[in-house]
Amino acid sequence: QSALTQPASVSGSPGQSITISCNGSSSDIGGYKYVSWYQQHPGKAPQLMIYEVSNRPSGVSNRFSGSKSGNTASLTISGLQAEDEADYYCTSYTSTIIRVVFGGGTKLTVL
Amino acid sequence: QVQVQESGPGLVKPSQTLSLTCTVSGGSVSSDNFYWSWIRQPAGKGLEWIGRIYNSGSTIYNSSLKSRVTISADTSKNQLSLKLSSVTAADTAVYYCARVELRYFTMDVWGQGTTVTVSS
Repeated sequence: QSALTQPASVSGSPGQSITISCNGSSSDIGGYKYVSWYQQHPGKAPQLMIYEVSNRPSGVSNRFSGSKSGNTASLTISGLQAEDEADYYCTSYTSTIIRVVFGGGTKLTVL
Repeated sequence: QVQVQESGPGLVKPSQTLSLTCTVSGGSVSSDNFYWSWIRQPAGKGLEWIGRIYNSGSTIYNSSLKSRVTISADTSKNQLSLKLSSVTAADTAVYYCARVELRYFTMDVWGQGTTVTVSS
């Protein structure tokens, strides 16, 4: 069981927008601004898409955006493209000694 | 540009010790600005954090694996190692090495991963 809760799957049509939620607690998402999102295509390593809740690394499309409200973080992908079909994972800093906790992952299907 | 590369045997027998190496290029494993983590992913499943090492010596492990895991660093070779003892089929997974940027507690550099199968 993951420390952060994500929906198992979401779907959307090309051009649409989708949002993936990541639910935590006051010990992680709610207490800190260190939420990250990763994209993982089949057979590939995860790739950082969002860090510090809403910042994009260089080279990541501005169609990807992140936000946080209370104990829940969200990843929004606008203008869905076929290449966005992948698994997405959230992580957060946590006050526990392990320091980083994972979400269980969400499979995005582009219809 | 920092790169990491995992390596090790792709097949390990049950009850034996899994040993993997992560070679870091373009950066130092002893930097104060980063943790180095091992993460694994069984086929078709999510990511599982195994543990991390900081400043070449301070380690923290996943409590579910703690009794079997050792992470260490060889600063002369700029490498990290993962040892997991008494393996079973449940340890079959892709194993990743990743850098954790401490300004943002984010895993900004990942290796390509190495597949380990536990089977006799």
